Amino acid sequence: DTEVTQTPKHLVMGMTNKKSLKCEQHMGHRAMYWYKQKAKKPPELMFVYSYEKLSINESVPSRFSPECPNSSLLNLHLHALQPEDSALYLCASSHPRGFSSYEQYFGPGTRLTVT
Amino acid sequence: AQTVTQSQPEMSVQEAETVTLSCTYDTSESDYYLFWYKQPPSRQMILVIRQEAYKQQNATENRFSVNFQKAAKSFSLKISDSQLGDAAMYFCAYRSAGDPHLSSNYQLIWGAGTKLIIKP
Repeated sequence: DTEVTQTPKHLVMGMTNKKSLKCEQHMGHRAMYWYKQKAKKPPELMFVYSYEKLSINESVPSRFSPECPNSSLLNLHLHALQPEDSALYLCASSHPRGFSSYEQYFGPGTRLTVT
Repeated sequence: AQTVTQSQPEMSVQEAETVTLSCTYDTSESDYYLFWYKQPPSRQMILVIRQEAYKQQNATENRFSVNFQKAAKSFSLKISDSQLGDAAMYFCAYRSAGDPHLSSNYQLIWGAGTKLIIKP
């Protein structure tokens, strides 16, 4: 089962709201990722968790707060976002270091609109 | 630092014909992985094919094949018998296979993407 699921599919929120994005995988992967993607652009890496520990934070503003409660779940908590944060947010997972091919499997994304 | 270049912002092909998407990359590393991902309008990023740099044989997956030229740092994707469902953005990506203890080796370096249009 090579599936990564994300909820919700669409989210509209005001700049003062607090919301969360959720990602789940059951492939036994121990590395999970959050990406931000603008239209017609490649994904931009935001965070990487490896073995449930934050491994990479690509200088993301603190209004984005990641959380990895267990090896299957990844959350992205959103607070006080700006309109320019409107984008497609993709979650991905992969085997961690030590496995040969490192390919990442992506979820379908959450389309976020900040009003 | 590694870079990935896709020089074709958009390509179009007649249904059932063959199309080749170009990708070049720059790296000083000798061991790495290359990927082609497809992102249709439905948004899901789908892995199409991967190539290990240490393998001389070009990877193939059904109608998809690559032409990997390591010395030229070129990694093109050939789609045979194009189908309407192949219409998508195609991204080429690079990943280091270096020191497994370096967190940075998790990162994919992406090309800008090529929009593929299939004409019926």
